[in-house]
This record gives sequence, structure tokens and C-alpha cells, in this order.
Amino acid sequence: QKEVEQDPGPLSVPEGAIVSLNCTYSNSAFQYFMWYRQYSRKGPELLMYTYSSGNKEDGRFTAQVDKSSKYISLFIRDSQPSDSATYLCAMIDNSGGYQKVTFGIGTKLQVIP
Amino acid sequence: DVKVTQSSRYLVKRTGEKVFLECVQDMDHENMFWYRQDPGLGLRLIYFSYDVKMKEKGDIPEGYSVSREKKERFSLILESASTNQTSMYLCASSFERLAGVSNEQFFGPGTRLTVL
Repeated sequence: QKEVEQDPGPLSVPEGAIVSLNCTYSNSAFQYFMWYRQYSRKGPELLMYTYSSGNKEDGRFTAQVDKSSKYISLFIRDSQPSDSATYLCAMIDNSGGYQKVTFGIGTKLQVIP
Repeated sequence: DVKVTQSSRYLVKRTGEKVFLECVQDMDHENMFWYRQDPGLGLRLIYFSYDVKMKEKGDIPEGYSVSREKKERFSLILESASTNQTSMYLCASSFERLAGVSNEQFFGPGTRLTVL
């Protein structure tokens, strides 16, 4: 079983829809949770960062963490064609004395105008 | 504005060739990383470095080596390229701190390597 599971999609939605992207994980040592966005032929860039269980909002984006269920989500409200990209979840384990980052395989999202 | 640059966007090499991929960051980051990204497999860590002249194996180091002679530069070396090393290679860097937003990794644009 992979430490981080993420559905690769592709996920296709109409413009204006609410998008839900999810990851599950098995390693209880993960303490920090991130979402990266990767446009085609570019490197990933950090979108959202959370530490504790609960919700964190940034504009149209909401990151949600449920540590008891080992489940994280990214919600995109009023999705736009410019949101079309691959979204990677990432989780950090610092228990070994250095940061070890594990990425999900990414979900490809297409927002249709 | 953090910048991570990679020496080539596209590279075509022949089986058995020695290949050098260069990465430079301009934010004085302690940590540097090399990943490869393949469809269905996602980002996989090859090697990382937490200091000059220091290197640690990641999850898939076989067939690769690295060099970090200067803080800003991290090189990935394919000693004898093989067709299964055809991939997108991404370099990243981050600050040393273990907590807080400085855990963010800043990625370069990637090098798409094809080995024939």
C-alpha cells in the first residue's frame, strides 16, 4: 500500500463548479499537509499549506485535513479554466530529524468554459 | 522571488552516455532535491542534500549520483543512461527549518530527458 493515495483522474468539470480533490494517507507521522498545483510543462508550485485538522481558506480554495481519518481535501469554488492543472497533495514527516516529503501522484483537473 | 533554474528544458541522449543535469537556486536554501516524474507514478525522490558536499539517497537512487560542491548548485548525474531513465526530472530547494511554511519546496521548470 502506498503511503499516500490520490486518484489521478482526469477530472473534468464545467466552469463555475465546485471541485473536490482528495488524498488519503497511512503514515501517522505526517504532520504537515500541502497542495501543489502543476501547470503543463511547468514545475509544481505551492498552493495551500496546513498543519492541524480543520479547514483553511484562501480565496476560492479551501484545504481540509482530518487526521483521525487520515484524509485531506482541497475544494475549489467557482472553478475557472485557469484552474486546469494537475494538483498534487504532499505530506511531511519530520520525525526522522529532517523533513521527508511524500507526494501523491496528482489529480489532473480540466475546467471546461 | 525564489528562482530555481535547470540547465536544459529538453535533452536527448543515447544509451550508455553520461548525462549531467544541473540545478541552481538563488535563495540561499540549504536543502536541494532531485525528483523524477512519470505518468501514474508521480514524483519520486532520487537524491537530496541538506548541506554542501552532503547527499542522501532518496527512494530510487539506483543508476544516479549527485554532486553538491556549492550551496546554490546541485547536479544529477546519470553515469550510463538507459532507456528506462527517460523521464521528467525536477529539481527543488527549500530552507532548512523543519517547521512552518519554510517547508515549501520551490521547483524548477523541469528537464524532459529522452534516452534513445
